[in-house]
Amino acid sequence: DGGITQSPKYLFRKEGQNVTLSCEQNLNHDAMYWYRQDPGQGLRLIYYSQIVNDFQKGDIAEGYSVSREKKESFPLTVTSAQKNPTAFYLCASSILGDSGNQPQHFGDGTRLSIL
Amino acid sequence: GENVEQHPSTLSVQEGDSAVIKCTYSDSASNYFPWYKQELGKRPQLIIDIRSNVGEKKDQRIAVTLNKTAKHFSLHITETQPEDSAVYFCAADSWGKLQFGAGTQVVVTP
Repeated sequence: DGGITQSPKYLFRKEGQNVTLSCEQNLNHDAMYWYRQDPGQGLRLIYYSQIVNDFQKGDIAEGYSVSREKKESFPLTVTSAQKNPTAFYLCASSILGDSGNQPQHFGDGTRLSIL
Repeated sequence: GENVEQHPSTLSVQEGDSAVIKCTYSDSASNYFPWYKQELGKRPQLIIDIRSNVGEKKDQRIAVTLNKTAKHFSLHITETQPEDSAVYFCAADSWGKLQFGAGTQVVVTP
C-alpha cells in the first residue's frame, strides 16, 4: 500500500551495533505493527501499538525496542542483544473498528543482514 | 495463545484447476480470519477475509470457508492462472493480534 513507507529497503548491521528501521503511514491508522519474516516461514509479531505513547510486546520482542511518539510513525530498533537479526522486517497498520478487527496493510519491508 | 497450522506447505496445480489451502486455529475466541498473498520479495497483500459470524465469502475466483465448530478455515482458488503463483498465508486474530500460518507456496504450471 502506498500509504505505508518503510526505509531503508536494505540495511546491514555490524556486530554490537544498534540499527533503527523506519515506518511511516499517512492512512490515519490508529494501530501499527512490526513483524519479522524468516525464509520459508510465516510472520511473527515483534511489537504493536494501538495508540500514541503506548505499545505492547508481541511473540518475539526480546532484542527489539520501539517508540510511538507520533500517530504516523512507529520505528523499530534492533539492538545488539538480538543475536540473529538477519530477516525481512515488515511494518503494518490498521484502523481500530468498533465492529471488530480490521485488515492490516503492509509496507514494502526492510531486509536486514549482518556484516 | 493462538496457534495456526497451515497445509499444505507447497501446492502445484495445472492452470485452470482449483487450489485449496487449509488452516486450523486453537483459540475459540478468534473472530477474524484474513488471507494474504505474497510474491517473492514483496509485501503481503490482503486478498480476502472472513469474520466469525459468516460461514463463507466469495470474491470472483477466490472463496473462503469457515467452520467455527471444528476451528478450521480454507481458501479456495478456482480456474487458477500463472499469476496466482505466490505464497499464501492464513491468519487468525486473537485479542487484537494476528497469528500467521507458515504459508503455502502455490505454483501454477501452464
